[in-house]
Amino acid sequence: GQNIDQPTEMTATEGAIVQINCTYQTSGFNGLFWYQQHAGEAPTFLSYNVLDGLEEKGRFSSFLSRSKGYSYLLLKELQMKDSASYLCAVSVTGGGNKLTFGTGTQLKVEL
Amino acid sequence: DAGITQSPRHKVTETGTPVTLRCHQTENHRYMYWYRQDPGHGLRLIHYSYGVKDTDKGEVSDGYSVSRSKTEDFLLTLESATSSQTSVYFCAISDLSGSGYEQYFGPGTRLTVT
Repeated sequence: GQNIDQPTEMTATEGAIVQINCTYQTSGFNGLFWYQQHAGEAPTFLSYNVLDGLEEKGRFSSFLSRSKGYSYLLLKELQMKDSASYLCAVSVTGGGNKLTFGTGTQLKVEL
Repeated sequence: DAGITQSPRHKVTETGTPVTLRCHQTENHRYMYWYRQDPGHGLRLIHYSYGVKDTDKGEVSDGYSVSRSKTEDFLLTLESATSSQTSVYFCAISDLSGSGYEQYFGPGTRLTVT
């Protein structure tokens, strides 16, 4: 099976930068996804990494190191609306393109 | 936003009754998934489908069945609801795109079993 770990909660200041880490243990790794989920809403897709390195998309960037089983999501110029849960998910080979999700990191952005 | 709807959005039912949740997509995506989300557990896969009439079990499939008779519809049935099945249920769809097989989620169904 897969094991995915991410911190339960984080707090950061508006305008700052925050890094949310995710570590995973899996066989047949086929990609890592980050999702954002506001309270009471559905998860929304943020980023996808399958090769080592950094993927940048506006204020959000995601990094992957397959050899270390490690990823992070970097949020820059934090805004109050970034307060949400951030979910790390791993895809493995074997059909169905299934995802296994971590339990999520609840980010609180304060003034 | 991907065209995914779920019905009903909220439901309260009694223990022992059958319940069917519907997921409908207008994107013609091949893959469809049912998850449940509970505090402390995150999203857990119940069942998924890789085509019409092609389904398979996920991590927490006991007590649930699914059917997919058309590309656009994926039904989740709780054969005899129990209080442990009180949860928020999300449907998701995916297909090959520029970002791999990212999944897009429906708005969710909040189910309470009393």
